[in-house]
Amino acid sequence: DSGVTQTPKHLITATGQRVTLRCSPRSGDLSVYWYQQSLDQGLQFLIHYYNGEERAKGNILERFSAQQFPDLHSELNLSSLELGDSALYFCASSVVGGEGETQYFGPGTRLLVL
Amino acid sequence: EDKVVQSPLSLVVHEGDTVTLNCSYEVTNFRSLLWYKQEKKAPTFLFMLTSSGIEKKSGRLSSILDKKELFSILNITATQTGDSAVYLCAVGTGTASKLTFGTGTRLQVTL
Repeated sequence: DSGVTQTPKHLITATGQRVTLRCSPRSGDLSVYWYQQSLDQGLQFLIHYYNGEERAKGNILERFSAQQFPDLHSELNLSSLELGDSALYFCASSVVGGEGETQYFGPGTRLLVL
Repeated sequence: EDKVVQSPLSLVVHEGDTVTLNCSYEVTNFRSLLWYKQEKKAPTFLFMLTSSGIEKKSGRLSSILDKKELFSILNITATQTGDSAVYLCAVGTGTASKLTFGTGTRLQVTL
């Protein structure tokens, strides 16, 4: 158990809908990262937040957005869902988010869009 | 565009064998290389290699980083069925905010 929690574990929804995935980092970690893992793409970095502020953006679609709250938990919002958005979404956390830091992954949320 | 390539894609070995997993990379502003083990769900951290630590060992697992040739290997000796998993290599770049992952090597250890 990495200490990173994610809810829900599974989510099934329809195309066009909007969902929110939630992540709580390890105690003391200020950085939260979001990743998408699909069968054909592997693990793809989406976005990084540090202490409430966006730090880096990866291959995140405009339909997706994220935020980190004052209590350091983070939410990833996915809207106008398409079939291709079906994937495992992981959250990871680290203390600061710099060189020499390890990212610890949560258990993931499996999203299925029908 | 940053690129991380792992080989082989898949490997089946007998318990007790030694395996070597490969990871090569082409990235801008390399900071670190990490190995993760992914069984059913979340990747679990194995090693991190940086300029100041190019060789790591933990039990039957060991890893080296060759910064000149831009690759890393993960060695597993005396494999056990519990080693069956997907092994992911990731490279941290820039401020190390972003990890670029390879597609992984699927290892199956049979009795």
